[in-house]
Amino acid sequence: EVQLVESGGGLVQPGRSLKLSCLASGFTFSNYGMNWIRQAPGKGLEWVASISSSSSYIYYADTVKGRFTISRDNAKNTLYLQMTSLRSEDTALYYCASNYGGYYFDYWGQGVMVTVSS
Amino acid sequence: DIVLTQSPALAVSLGQRATISCRASESVRSSMHWYQQKSGQQPKLLIYGASNLASGVPARFSGSGSGTDFTFTIDPVEADDIATYYCQQSRNDPLTFGSGTKLEIK
Repeated sequence: EVQLVESGGGLVQPGRSLKLSCLASGFTFSNYGMNWIRQAPGKGLEWVASISSSSSYIYYADTVKGRFTISRDNAKNTLYLQMTSLRSEDTALYYCASNYGGYYFDYWGQGVMVTVSS
Repeated sequence: DIVLTQSPALAVSLGQRATISCRASESVRSSMHWYQQKSGQQPKLLIYGASNLASGVPARFSGSGSGTDFTFTIDPVEADDIATYYCQQSRNDPLTFGSGTKLEIK
């Protein structure tokens, strides 16, 4: 069974940093691209960042470029999102999701909440 | 950025057909995908590449279209289909989602 389990969320002050993790199981992690997608409370889905299976290709939304860093450790089956200079508008439920083949998201985690507030 | 436009809500009777549209601000060819998100749950992939059914998804769900106009259909609608449905394009960076269509039962 495919499982993606996010962790590392919480309440953080504006300007501070936070690192999210996503532990994958039930599939060959190193063969899949991985992504972070977020959803602000009561709002729609927003793509945040993508990383290819070997980390050769990395893409970011303009809203997080320069502040967030996506990375992965294939030996640990884990995806990361390092978030710095956090803003109130970064408050959201952050999902990790996999992609194989095209840039559509075939498996999703349950999400982890990040709240940026003083 | 490619903007995807969806109607906010749709009300359909059980057993009837539900049709949800998604219009792209420029051509995405067939790089359109559809997701279902039930309340309090993560999204689930239903359709990829405009018309391909994702693994394990019932044949009641279907998708069509190319270029800028896409349609997602549920036929027949069941009570368990109450959810918000999102389209997403992967033709251009950045990847973008529609604002979602909330399916309600009449």
